[in-house]
Amino acid sequence: DIQMTQSPSSLSASVGDRVTIICQASQDISNRLNWYQQKPGKAPKLLIYAASNLETGVPSRFSGSGSGTHFTFTITSLQPEDFATYYCQQHDNLPPLTFGGGTKVEIK
Amino acid sequence: EVQLVESGGGLVQPGGSLRLSCGVSGFSFSGYWMSWVRQAPGKGLEWVASINEDGNEKYYVDSVKGRFTISRDNAKNSLYLQMDSLRGEDTAVYYCARGGRTKMPHWGQGTLVTVSS
Repeated sequence: DIQMTQSPSSLSASVGDRVTIICQASQDISNRLNWYQQKPGKAPKLLIYAASNLETGVPSRFSGSGSGTHFTFTITSLQPEDFATYYCQQHDNLPPLTFGGGTKVEIK
Repeated sequence: EVQLVESGGGLVQPGGSLRLSCGVSGFSFSGYWMSWVRQAPGKGLEWVASINEDGNEKYYVDSVKGRFTISRDNAKNSLYLQMDSLRGEDTAVYYCARGGRTKMPHWGQGTLVTVSS
């Protein structure tokens, strides 16, 4: 099975900060990686698909990059509504689909 | 507007069964893969199962193989998860989601399953 290692597991940041989250795959997954945002008590929301494509309606301060085994998710200027938990997810090899462990973005 | 609404969750004893349903609207259900994803209390997301458009391809995470069955009724725009031989570690919020072969852009609000005596 493909393992997804996400780092950091949590971070503290201020409004306006640039935030970067890393996701490492245990084997080459090409660009078959998505990023989701989840707020407490809510369903996940797709932000980025195919590693770098912004889902419709998602603000442009969110971006993704990478291919193969190393992926990066960036929020260029953190907004109050961005405090949430973020997950990467690979779909190269089904089964199983696998998620990273999550990164909780908290207010500094 | 795309909508997915789960139902059927609740409290069940270990070894018991439960059937989750997911009713959808706002898109052509028969044209999409569908999936179940769960989240144990305070934990991360875990993919559970996916099914293709016509229901003849089904995939499961190892921990539920032989106990859970994913199915769909395209005439009723509905997705199901039959859960048998439930264990404490199956306690989670269960989400249905459109997709699974690639991205999952639409999710339901989730239904809580609690396995406890």
